[in-house]
Amino acid sequence: DTGVSQDPRHKITKRGQNVTFRCDPISEHNRLYWYRQTLGQGPEFLTYFQNEAQLEKSRLLSDRFSAERPKGSFSTLEIQRTEQGDSAMYLCASRRAAGELFFGEGSRLTVL
Amino acid sequence: AQSVTQPDIHITVSEGASLELRCNYSYGATPYLFWYVQSPGQGLQLLLKYFSGDTLVQGIKGFEAEFKRSQSSFNLRKPSVHWSDAAEYFCAVGDYGGSQGNLIFGKGTKLSVKP
Repeated sequence: DTGVSQDPRHKITKRGQNVTFRCDPISEHNRLYWYRQTLGQGPEFLTYFQNEAQLEKSRLLSDRFSAERPKGSFSTLEIQRTEQGDSAMYLCASRRAAGELFFGEGSRLTVL
Repeated sequence: AQSVTQPDIHITVSEGASLELRCNYSYGATPYLFWYVQSPGQGLQLLLKYFSGDTLVQGIKGFEAEFKRSQSSFNLRKPSVHWSDAAEYFCAVGDYGGSQGNLIFGKGTKLSVKP
């Protein structure tokens, strides 16, 4: 396994700008998850894909957030009109149908 | 409401001493329970999981955890801590039997190890 890969690892942006994060899951994993982790907190579920279908979205995922997994492989998470409250670590994870979750190293967002 | 509580924000133990990290959960269905470890700037690594069967589960790096349904607890233990165990530990509960499988995490316990 090459592991779950996330890019970029760190993004600094100004308030109001758009940012996009990419996640490449482990190749044979059909389930992909996005989580957000703020300082001093555990990861919080944002959204979940099974293949290319987005099956669940948390209420944390406001209308400024959009996630896609167009071909059932990599996924992108876009945040439009960023706010300072969006500053967090965005974690991607993947798994097989009945397997454990494997997490990437995360993409840290800092909104100035 | 579904939740996970880790009562200890920060614990310091001496190298070689035993360790117990507490985790209590509230979950409506049969819980699937997990412990993850996170080193600074890194993602989360699964230490161990409980789905069913023997309530004492063994994990990697010499960790074990015991599921106690009556106490809604899933405490993590290690008999002898190593300096490399210093990290943040997260307890999580989920429903892998369902279609989603997303996890609910506690706020974590930061472990420091004294030489």
